[in-house]
Amino acid sequence: DAKTTQPNSMESNEEEPVHLPCNHSTISGTDYIHWYRQLPSQGPEYVIHGLTSNVNNRMASLAIAEDRKSSTLILHRATLRDAAVYYCILRDVPLNYGGSQGNLIFGKGTKLSVKP
Amino acid sequence: DAGVTQSPTHLIKTRGQQVTLRCSPKSGHDTVSWYQQALGQGPQFIFQYYEEEERQRGNFPDRFSGHQFPNYSSELNVNALLLGDSALYLCASSILGLAGGTGDTQYFGPGTRLTVL
Repeated sequence: DAKTTQPNSMESNEEEPVHLPCNHSTISGTDYIHWYRQLPSQGPEYVIHGLTSNVNNRMASLAIAEDRKSSTLILHRATLRDAAVYYCILRDVPLNYGGSQGNLIFGKGTKLSVKP
Repeated sequence: DAGVTQSPTHLIKTRGQQVTLRCSPKSGHDTVSWYQQALGQGPQFIFQYYEEEERQRGNFPDRFSGHQFPNYSSELNVNALLLGDSALYLCASSILGLAGGTGDTQYFGPGTRLTVL
């Protein structure tokens, strides 16, 4: 899987939007962009994923650059409960790989702090 | 709907001992993956089980082994424990065969914190 680059940490104020960047200059045409987050003392949880078009769900929005070499996770109104480590992961799902979906390759992610 | 559950929550062992960690996947899921997370690091993939077979393995020694049962639950076994095995062990479940990126969504349990003294 191709590599991603994220800032080590970011800060935000409560109730304000947060834009978490991710660079993936070596992304291939079949790589999906996934975001997971890990709240303190919990396992990672899925946030959102996309391929080419921008995506929205109840948790966040994902904005994908036209050349797909970067993407941005957008939290529209940060709350204290959004304080977590956010991981940007590229996935080329090899569904025919001996029946395996393949694994998630986590980097160190971006630690988001939210100030009240 | 119960999510992924893991037991025990915490575990303390001494060097050289063996440990077994358990995982029950989310209802309806058939694939279980195990990850090791050292302090301050992202999770590292250990292996994945589907249809009671190990399908993919990360860069971990043979001391790490696993099993998947017919009810899709899974165990992670670590033999000859080393101090460096101290970590949070995470189990994730998913459904094999869903199309594209959707099928790759993995649901994680809260983890088992293993301390090796």
